[in-house]
Amino acid sequence: DGGITQSPKYLFRKEGQNVTLSCEQNLNHDAMYWYRQDPGQGLRLIYYSQIVNDFQKGDIAEGYSVSREKKESFPLTVTSAQKNPTAFYLCASSIDPGPSYNEQFFGPGTRLTVL
Amino acid sequence: AQSVTQPDIHITVSEGASLELRCNYSYGATPYLFWYVQSPGQGLQLLLKYFSGDTLVQGIKGFEAEFKRSQSSFNLRKPSVHWSDAAEYFCAVVPYNNNDMRFGAGTRLTVKP
Repeated sequence: DGGITQSPKYLFRKEGQNVTLSCEQNLNHDAMYWYRQDPGQGLRLIYYSQIVNDFQKGDIAEGYSVSREKKESFPLTVTSAQKNPTAFYLCASSIDPGPSYNEQFFGPGTRLTVL
Repeated sequence: AQSVTQPDIHITVSEGASLELRCNYSYGATPYLFWYVQSPGQGLQLLLKYFSGDTLVQGIKGFEAEFKRSQSSFNLRKPSVHWSDAAEYFCAVVPYNNNDMRFGAGTRLTVKP
């Protein structure tokens, strides 16, 4: 089955630690995205990548970092600089980010809790 | 300011009743429009989308949405709600000539027996 996988489903972190959230897709999509979801705020874009070895900041990139070394993988690192990291994190992908817009497909999410 | 607004934070309907969830946007040109559904602790699933053409769009699970340019709205409807429709619903837009998807704050739907 084609799709997007995120791991782990639940993640606990102590303050001051960096953690990395995994996102893998086997849809052969060029574009991948990371969103943060907080209650009552919808989804906010953290980072996106249109192609391997390239990525751009979204609206709330501070305290986060990403890499795109392979087409199918787009891991997100939540650094200790992120002031309020407890949230639900969603990864998504689309066929390509070109002008003929394609819908985004979402993974099941990772819930990060800072203890 | 450009935005996507879902005016209703929480809606409760009885099973079998009709449903309408509201979505308004404020962008200069007509954007691409989407409705997604999210079950608790899960990712988002696309219900339907509007790019152009017929303004009444049919989606999965018996949902439909109507694009009204004059009202800058893209409301989601279902004639008869099932208990399994209880979830959170997000309206999303991609502005014309832009690739950034913008989400509304969501509407949580509760279905009463």
